[in-house]
Amino acid sequence: GAGVSQSPSNKVTEKGKDVELRCDPISGHTALYWYRQSLGQGLEFLIYFQGNSAPDKSGLPSDRFSAERTGGSVSTLTIQRTQQEDSAVYLCASRGRGSTDTQYFGPGTRLTVL
Amino acid sequence: AQSVTQLGSHVSVSEGALVLLRCNYSSSVPPYLFWYVQYPNQGLQLLLKYTSAATLVKGINGFEAEFKKSETSFHLTKPSAHMSDAAEYFCAVSTGGGNKLTFGTGTQLKVEL
Repeated sequence: GAGVSQSPSNKVTEKGKDVELRCDPISGHTALYWYRQSLGQGLEFLIYFQGNSAPDKSGLPSDRFSAERTGGSVSTLTIQRTQQEDSAVYLCASRGRGSTDTQYFGPGTRLTVL
Repeated sequence: AQSVTQLGSHVSVSEGALVLLRCNYSSSVPPYLFWYVQYPNQGLQLLLKYTSAATLVKGINGFEAEFKKSETSFHLTKPSAHMSDAAEYFCAVSTGGGNKLTFGTGTQLKVEL
């Protein structure tokens, strides 16, 4: 079946602009995660959605970052007033219902802030 | 809190030689442990995972890892390296609470002829 998809694959923006990154999880997966991969920080957790529960936002680096998940499926990560340090690859993952189920990752969105 | 340490940011082996990538974890509760592989410009692909069943875990592409609680280790091995194994490998730990993954800094594996 289809895997996790993300769009766009690449995004170049100017400092100060807002960006939206999209994630389509595997159909039926109840859990969705956003991670960030950057040269300076490695791979780090950003935010986690599980069903209709309140999201775990503990990894968001600042209040410029927000995410939503509509209808328990598609998720959008929004970065407001982008800064150069936001340049990174943003990875989305989804997981089935079981706690031991695998997190499947999408190909990522490479964000470059000029 | 949980953390992962991967010793060696770069490992080079000859084709056909043993691959050993080291991972040590820190966790106050029983962990789940994972190895992911990342090929250039691609997302992460799961190689194998330990979720408190058998301590020796076999994964895809001939890789395996052994959970050793006494050593807090989860090293990844493969008996014979292929050129196609060249990639970056990440060890990760989760301890419930949504199973958020905490990753190590990664090991770049180079396979030489």
